[in-house]
Amino acid sequence: AQSVTQPDIHITVSEGASLELRCNYSYGATPYLFWYVQSPGQGLQLLLKYFSGDTLVQGIKGFEAEFKRSQSSFNLRKPSVHWSDAAEYFCAVGGRSSASKIIFGSGTRLSIRP
Amino acid sequence: DVKVTQSSRYLVKRTGEKVFLECVQDMDHENMFWYRQDPGLGLRLIYFSYDVKMKEKGDIPEGYSVSREKKERFSLILESASTNQTSMYLCASRTPGTDNSNQPQHFGDGTRLSIL
Repeated sequence: AQSVTQPDIHITVSEGASLELRCNYSYGATPYLFWYVQSPGQGLQLLLKYFSGDTLVQGIKGFEAEFKRSQSSFNLRKPSVHWSDAAEYFCAVGGRSSASKIIFGSGTRLSIRP
Repeated sequence: DVKVTQSSRYLVKRTGEKVFLECVQDMDHENMFWYRQDPGLGLRLIYFSYDVKMKEKGDIPEGYSVSREKKERFSLILESASTNQTSMYLCASRTPGTDNSNQPQHFGDGTRLSIL
């Protein structure tokens, strides 16, 4: 079955500390992978995507993610978080074709400790 | 920048009412989507539309219908609202890649719907 698991419901990190948000997926074909961020009261904004090629992808706002096929993971990282990074983060997976659905994880809420 | 506009940020309706949620996008995108977002469940796909007058059921279509008469507008209809449809509703749009590949979706800011 196709699924996305974000094992951490809520994470709190100190401002300036590094961050890693976990994402594991189950998908039968070559996955297309996405990370989105949702600030309070807003819709989702794309942070980055992985389609093929270099397994380390750079996104907006200083985020990066690494695709590890052997571990079925696509973890999101940031070397130094800012208070404005407090938000909910969603990992998503889909197939190559635009006809394939995007499956979203349940999200990880990030809080920043001053 | 792509703009996806949902007509209401907050909406309060009564049980049994027929409710319309409207979504408009300004980038001539072929594909449009309706999701509901509930705590701990992430986003669940209600309906989607590949193009004008086309619609496909998503994972949780029961109690909902949709309408896409014009390319830029995708409406979600709650035929007879019930309290378990209280939720955040998100609309999204995208255009397929030139090779018909999957592409990221662009989201509206959501409509928080309360059914009393």
